[in-house]
Amino acid sequence: QVQVAESGGGVVQPGGSLRLSCAASGFPVNSYEVHWVRQAPGEGLEWLGVISSDGNIELYGDSVRGRFTISKDFSKNTVFLQMNRLRPDDTAVYHCARDLLPGAPDYLDSWGQGTLVTVSS
Amino acid sequence: IVLTQSPGTLSLSPGDRATLSCRAVQNVDRNFLAWYQQRPGQAPRLLIYSASIRANGVPDRFSGSGSGRDFTLTISRLDPEDFAVYYCQRYGGSPLVSFGGGTKVE
Repeated sequence: QVQVAESGGGVVQPGGSLRLSCAASGFPVNSYEVHWVRQAPGEGLEWLGVISSDGNIELYGDSVRGRFTISKDFSKNTVFLQMNRLRPDDTAVYHCARDLLPGAPDYLDSWGQGTLVTVSS
Repeated sequence: IVLTQSPGTLSLSPGDRATLSCRAVQNVDRNFLAWYQQRPGQAPRLLIYSASIRANGVPDRFSGSGSGRDFTLTISRLDPEDFAVYYCQRYGGSPLVSFGGGTKVE
């Protein structure tokens, strides 16, 4: 069964860093693109970025480019989101999601329940 | 806003027909548009992709249509479990992926 599960959320001070994990099961992360999407409290979905199946290409949304980095660890079948220079408006539930089909248009098929990140002093 | 969803809230009863709209600023390349359902406290769920293809396990009361800039999600007869927030999503361009603001069906 295809599943992804996020972890690593918590409370962090403005300007701080946090690394989120997205553990995949039921599929190899080296065959699929994986996205990160966040949802601020009471708000809609915001796409943050995607990493290619081989891990060599990353694309980001404007609000996080230069601060956030996505990476993969094939041995752990896990995807990471490194978040630096965090701001209060980064407070949100962070989801990872797998592409529906390898090499196809990016539709987000399998989603995790998310992990909450709170940026506050 | 790349994708505009309307209405913001749709107030209906079980058994009603729901029609949700998603309008893009520019033509959506090759109709690379999807719809998601998000129930309270749950992760989003892919319903429709490539404008009109139902994802695995999605009931046939859900249908998608449209092309170019205008797309529609129709729920033919609302089931109590269908009361949720619905998002459209475009693939392609910059940013690579973008979501609409959502329509709440209550």
